[in-house]
Amino acid sequence: DTGVSQDPRHKITKRGQNVTFRCDPISEHNRLYWYRQTLGQGPEFLTYFQNEAQLEKSRLLSDRFSAERPKGSFSTLEIQRTEQGDSAMYLCASSSPGRGEYEQYFGPGTRLTVT
Amino acid sequence: AQKVTQAQTEISVVEKEDVTLDCVYETRDTTYYLFWYKQPPSGELVFLIRRNSFDEQNEISGRYSWNFQKSTSSFNFTITASQVVDSAVYFCALRPIIQGAQKLVFGQGTRLTINP
Repeated sequence: DTGVSQDPRHKITKRGQNVTFRCDPISEHNRLYWYRQTLGQGPEFLTYFQNEAQLEKSRLLSDRFSAERPKGSFSTLEIQRTEQGDSAMYLCASSSPGRGEYEQYFGPGTRLTVT
Repeated sequence: AQKVTQAQTEISVVEKEDVTLDCVYETRDTTYYLFWYKQPPSGELVFLIRRNSFDEQNEISGRYSWNFQKSTSSFNFTITASQVVDSAVYFCALRPIIQGAQKLVFGQGTRLTINP
């Protein structure tokens, strides 16, 4: 299996701009997760999908954040009107209920810097 | 609500020393999974182990071992004969075994530095 991939790896944007990140899960993994990790902290859950359905959203996911997984394969996370507090590493993970008892496998992350 | 605490922010040891990373958790759920992940400087979280709350048997995998004690809500991780390549940030995480519950709750992490 190829691992979870994320694009871009780094993004620098100015405050107020919109950004979009992409995540490609491990093939045949039907669950996909987004987490956010700020410096010196552990990852915090944002949202997860089972196939194309978004089943859980954290309170951290404000109205400026939206995630989609239209065909149940790759996912996008969009942040509108970015703020400096959005600067963080955005991690994507995937898992499959048929294997590994729901262990989540993480991608390399997208590091966002808002200036 | 669940909470995971890794009280050791940073640990530094000399190569070949044994080192234990502490993890204490809080949950009202009767069944749950516990995990350890490694985050090397490259940034990608690497899965190390998953334990079920109903299985308190300790586990050993090469130089790694895990001590799960439900009575003290702890799930500690020991690296024996540490190596420089073990340098990373290590995270402990918890997830209840409940229909529909998927999110991992992570601790703050312990930065481990192995000096040659």
